[in-house]
Amino acid sequence: DAKTTQPPSMDCAEGRAANLPCNHSTISGNEYVYWYRQIHSQGPQYIIHGLKNNETNEMASLIITEDRKSSTLILPHATLRDTAVYYCIVRAINYGQNFVFGPGTRLSVLP
Amino acid sequence: GAVVSQHPSRVICKSGTSVKIECRSLDFQATTMFWYRQFPKQSLMLMATSNEGSKATYEQGVEKDKFLINHASLTLSTLTVTSAHPEDSSFYICSALGPGRDEKLFFGSGTQLSVL
Repeated sequence: DAKTTQPPSMDCAEGRAANLPCNHSTISGNEYVYWYRQIHSQGPQYIIHGLKNNETNEMASLIITEDRKSSTLILPHATLRDTAVYYCIVRAINYGQNFVFGPGTRLSVLP
Repeated sequence: GAVVSQHPSRVICKSGTSVKIECRSLDFQATTMFWYRQFPKQSLMLMATSNEGSKATYEQGVEKDKFLINHASLTLSTLTVTSAHPEDSSFYICSALGPGRDEKLFFGSGTQLSVL
């Protein structure tokens, strides 16, 4: 079973920031938070991952709370092409753990 | 980033036939690949973990004799759906752990299998 919970769906206006929350209250100290997204009928795409510090790359920012029990993925200026299902996954590195996908959040970016 | 190529993207076959799906890591060596399946409006379900040079590890409930996985080289894993039936119709996606210590997973574009 997935170790994360996410809202099933969210809407965001084009050009505004999309903030996608994820709860992972049982996360272990060695588990990272990964975010992927899946556009319809395509394979998932890696977005970002982090352990405890906030992370930023060209696609998004990842904010992890100090207790690490939740995180938020931020798309700073959402476009219509960001409409997708977003998956939050927790997984330890170097322990051979699988990537377990939950239902994710279906983000709809509206014009 | 690392590129994973998956072929074919779509296949339609008759019931009882076998279908092979190929998954290649194009610019890196992948000792571990994963195979997922996805039904409409559902999330990805892990079918098996494929390790180069050894037998695949199947998830509970996945028939290893029906879904044959071969990972004969560091850049190629294949999934063969044997004696396909309509209930095997699904979206199959392969993935590979990319290079580097942070173990990012890179996905192929998926194969839509329709069994008539």
